[in-house]
Amino acid sequence: DVKVTQSSRYLVKRTGEKVFLECVQDMDHENMFWYRQDPGLGLRLIYFSYDVKMKEKGDIPEGYSVSREKKERFSLILESASTNQTSMYLCASSLLRPGANVLTFGAGSRLTVL
Amino acid sequence: TQLLEQSPQFLSIQEGENLTVYCNSSSVFSSLQWYRQEPGEGPVLLVTVVTGGEVKKLKRLTFQFGDARKDSSLHITAAQPGDTGLYLCAGERMEYGNKLVFGAGTILRVKS
Repeated sequence: DVKVTQSSRYLVKRTGEKVFLECVQDMDHENMFWYRQDPGLGLRLIYFSYDVKMKEKGDIPEGYSVSREKKERFSLILESASTNQTSMYLCASSLLRPGANVLTFGAGSRLTVL
Repeated sequence: TQLLEQSPQFLSIQEGENLTVYCNSSSVFSSLQWYRQEPGEGPVLLVTVVTGGEVKKLKRLTFQFGDARKDSSLHITAAQPGDTGLYLCAGERMEYGNKLVFGAGTILRVKS
């Protein structure tokens, strides 16, 4: 069964802490994405990557950075967590196929920043 | 402002009822997808529609893509408690680098 795995399901951090969210996919997908999901706002794209060491900003990149050192792994980094970053974070991957960009999502990482 | 407007935001119905969820935009999409998300899980793809006017059926779920490829609907016949979840539409646009734009979602609760 193909999978996107987010290692941390629930995290509680304090304001100012550095936070790492890890995502691994086993489908050999080129594209990987980080979204945040907030009630009433749907999914908003933070960053995405279409190849190793490549990254592009999404719609809301401020306060976040990413790392993709290996094809299967895409990390989201909060350099200095703030309370407004309390959210559900979803990682996803897809094949590089314009017009058929179907996402496979992980189960999510719920982050609370106190 | 959402590029894709979903309505209603919340729907609570009795088992056996029919319902329709709408996804509307002023923009044209090359394809449109519907996902369902259950509590504690990530969204899972239900269907992709790519042709204007296209209708796809998945058991009791019927998906339609508007002729102008600006809107879509999801109709559920005889809803069951297992249909409960968050339904998300997502559109793909070439101008957006073929990345997906998501609607805010419709929370469906089907009571037995």
